[in-house]
Amino acid sequence: RKEVEQDPGPFNVPEGATVAFNCTYSNSASQSFFWYRQDCRKEPKLLMSVYSSGNEDGRFTAQLNRASQYISLLIRDSKLSDSATYLCVVNRNTGKLIFGQGTTLQVKP
Amino acid sequence: GAVVSQHPSWVICKSGTSVKIECRSLDFQATTMFWYRQFPKQSLMLMATSNEGSKATYEQGVEKDKFLINHASLTLSTLTVTSAHPEDSSFYICSAREGLKNIQYFGAGTRLSVL
Repeated sequence: RKEVEQDPGPFNVPEGATVAFNCTYSNSASQSFFWYRQDCRKEPKLLMSVYSSGNEDGRFTAQLNRASQYISLLIRDSKLSDSATYLCVVNRNTGKLIFGQGTTLQVKP
Repeated sequence: GAVVSQHPSWVICKSGTSVKIECRSLDFQATTMFWYRQFPKQSLMLMATSNEGSKATYEQGVEKDKFLINHASLTLSTLTVTSAHPEDSSFYICSAREGLKNIQYFGAGTRLSVL
């Protein structure tokens, strides 16, 4: 079993739609959590950190459920420019980042 | 934000040659740098962790004699793929961390194609 699991998708949604991605992690000692965005053939870029209290950045909302070892990302009012692969990332207590496979989002006009 | 420069961005080489990839932190001191590899449609896999002035720590299954890592200064780490073969063709990405901060900054990646 992978340490960080995501549904690879692809998720095909129309512009303006709301879409949610989920991720589960298996190592309960994981300390911090992130969503990264990766465009085709590019490096990953930090989208946002994820906290148990939930955090919001514009159209993006992230949530962590430590008890269920579950992380979510919600994107409201999808834009064409949101098309990318979204990587769920967990930071072990050693400082290493463990990446999920990524979920591909395609926003259509 | 912090900038990490990775060079070259793209390299094609013949089987059996060695390829060196450089990763530089441009505006901060990177006490720890990480090297990842990503095959098509797969996640980034951590290859090794390198701390300035000490030997790199390799992940299970990564051959340290094949992937030589040198972190000689607080701003530069290099990865050398020795005697590259077609199965080494991949996207190699470095990241750098400043001190014990939680954030890693990524280089733009190097696409290696071995013929």
